[in-house]
Amino acid sequence: GENVEQHPSTLSVQEGDSAVIKCTYSDSASNYFPWYKQELGKRPQLIIDIRSNVGEKKDQRIAVTLNKTAKHFSLHITETQPEDSAVYFCAAGYSTLTFGKGTMLLVSP
Amino acid sequence: DADVTQTPRNRITKTGKRIMLECSQTKGHDRMYWYRQDPGLGLRLIYYSFDVKDINKGEISDGYSVSRQAQAKFSLSLESAIPNQTALYFCATSDLLAGDETQYFGPGTRLLVL
Repeated sequence: GENVEQHPSTLSVQEGDSAVIKCTYSDSASNYFPWYKQELGKRPQLIIDIRSNVGEKKDQRIAVTLNKTAKHFSLHITETQPEDSAVYFCAAGYSTLTFGKGTMLLVSP
Repeated sequence: DADVTQTPRNRITKTGKRIMLECSQTKGHDRMYWYRQDPGLGLRLIYYSFDVKDINKGEISDGYSVSRQAQAKFSLSLESAIPNQTALYFCATSDLLAGDETQYFGPGTRLLVL
């Protein structure tokens, strides 16, 4: 089955800095790569996704890149704000999803 | 997302008891999933259903069973609860018929097995 590794497990940045979270996957058949944000006590919510026929996707301050050859994908958040503080999960799959273990992002004012 | 609801939101039970967690959705989605979340382990898939007559095991199905009573309802049962089933349980839905792979999560059920 699919195996997704996510790094780092925790990330602390100053407000205004950029944050990068990286994931690797094992199954070359995976073609869908979403990122979810989970605030404390809340449900996970999709923030951005990318499919295997696309190398990069951007939505305002958030971008995701995908390298199919190397089987890795990354989330980039620019100009971080305190409200970006949350746990972020990457996932990979084609009919079901396998999630990474999460990255706790803390943005300090 | 109020379109996916879970009951109960919190539950305390004892070892050996049978319990059921329920999930309902008004989104009209065909696919439904059950995950458990443990600190530091992310979300792990327990069972999933692509249609009313379709049930599939996920990564960690041992000790659990499910029922898809209707397109809108998907229940998770713990036949004989044990303490290591203490976790946060999420239901999710997706609408592949519409070409949307996004999974929409319910609010979660926090389960404590004593």
